[in-house]
Amino acid sequence: KNEVEQSPQNLTAQEGEFITINCSYSVGISALHWLQQHPGGGIVSLFMLSSGKKKHGRLIATINIQEKHSSLHITASHPRDSAVYICAVRPNTDKLIFGTGTRLQVFP
Amino acid sequence: KAGVTQTPRYLIKTRGQQVTLSCSPISGHRSVSWYQQTPGQGLQFLFEYFSETQRNKGNFPGRFSGRQFSNSRSEMNVSTLELGDSALYLCASSLSTSNYGYTFGSGTRLTVV
Repeated sequence: KNEVEQSPQNLTAQEGEFITINCSYSVGISALHWLQQHPGGGIVSLFMLSSGKKKHGRLIATINIQEKHSSLHITASHPRDSAVYICAVRPNTDKLIFGTGTRLQVFP
Repeated sequence: KAGVTQTPRYLIKTRGQQVTLSCSPISGHRSVSWYQQTPGQGLQFLFEYFSETQRNKGNFPGRFSGRQFSNSRSEMNVSTLELGDSALYLCASSLSTSNYGYTFGSGTRLTVV
């Protein structure tokens, strides 16, 4: 079993829909990261969380440390949100462990 | 301010050769980490450097090595290249090693033929 599980693996949405991507992990962590990767490979760090909730524009990330679960929400989705979203956790051993990613396609 | 710069962007090498990739972090960032991304294995941690010292190492063979210089620039080297080393190699910099956000470079796409 992977230490970091993401769901769904693939997600298709119509422009304007509310989107949720989930991440569950099995190790104790000091931080969880949400990353966005567009075709071509560049990765952008969206959020780093150790507790609670963060919001940036239309993106919201939450984490429940007790349940070892995090969610990334996108409100009013847009075609430019189409990308792979990757959850990564930093266990207390300090090595980042990555989920397999969620491929999101938003159609106009 | 300038982002994380990785050179070269693309590279084609032959099996058995060796390769050196470079990463220049954001000014003021002292931690540099390296990652390999392949379609089959996804993103995997290679190593992390802070103040010229390797702080963490992933589960890769000894053919993969790296170093960090006093100006925080980092290089990684892969010797005796194998076909399976074909991948996107990404580096990221952060202020320090724990609980700081990462800024990623655009990556070096290595193809081994």
